[in-house]
Amino acid sequence: NAGVTQTPKFQVLKTGQSMTLQCAQDMNHNSMYWYRQDPGMGLRLIYYSASEGTTDKGEVPNGYNVSRLNKREFSLRLESAAPSQTSVYFCASSERDRAADTQYFGPGTRLTVL
Amino acid sequence: AQSVSQHNHHVILSEAASLELGCNYSYGGTVNLFWYVQYPGQHLQLLLKYFSGDPLVKGIKGFEAEFIKSKFSFNLRKPSVQWSDTAEYFCAVRRGSGNTPLVFGKGTRLSVIA
Repeated sequence: NAGVTQTPKFQVLKTGQSMTLQCAQDMNHNSMYWYRQDPGMGLRLIYYSASEGTTDKGEVPNGYNVSRLNKREFSLRLESAAPSQTSVYFCASSERDRAADTQYFGPGTRLTVL
Repeated sequence: AQSVSQHNHHVILSEAASLELGCNYSYGGTVNLFWYVQYPGQHLQLLLKYFSGDPLVKGIKGFEAEFIKSKFSFNLRKPSVQWSDTAEYFCAVRRGSGNTPLVFGKGTRLSVIA
């Protein structure tokens, strides 16, 4: 039972390049989330998927797209990377999108955009 | 907009000292409250959470937190810290019953020295 896994762990991009961050969970959770973590800012929600087949914007969605590929997988795509997107990206999942549900986090992807 | 305030950016304690990390939120309705910990190089892990019932919540590793509704606070405490408690601590709040984001504070870095 690996929990939430993310790939890659590290990535360096040049401005304008695109990439997809992958996330998978094996806990049979319905809801999945993408956050970014910046120094002194805490975590901010980018996008989430309350259930398979649905996605919604979070606090900071600009410059990103997501795909809920199936119940297990939720990917985050940067179409044209910008230096402002340099951050650590965390994927999380929860049983359902209920306020009391615990979110379980993956190990993170550290992205640098030059 | 809902916000979560963590008053201390960096706390330095000696081993065996007592710990209290402050967390205040701005929303006045029903809330669900969480404390997460991020050890160096690791992903976020849940320490404890409150969603109803006894306002004094006990979590893992000897941590506890008290929900004081009148003060909009959910402070984290530990009577005697250890070197292994060195980490970053995040308070998070989610209001209502769902369809609202989990909002994180900016985090408090705790350094425990021998």
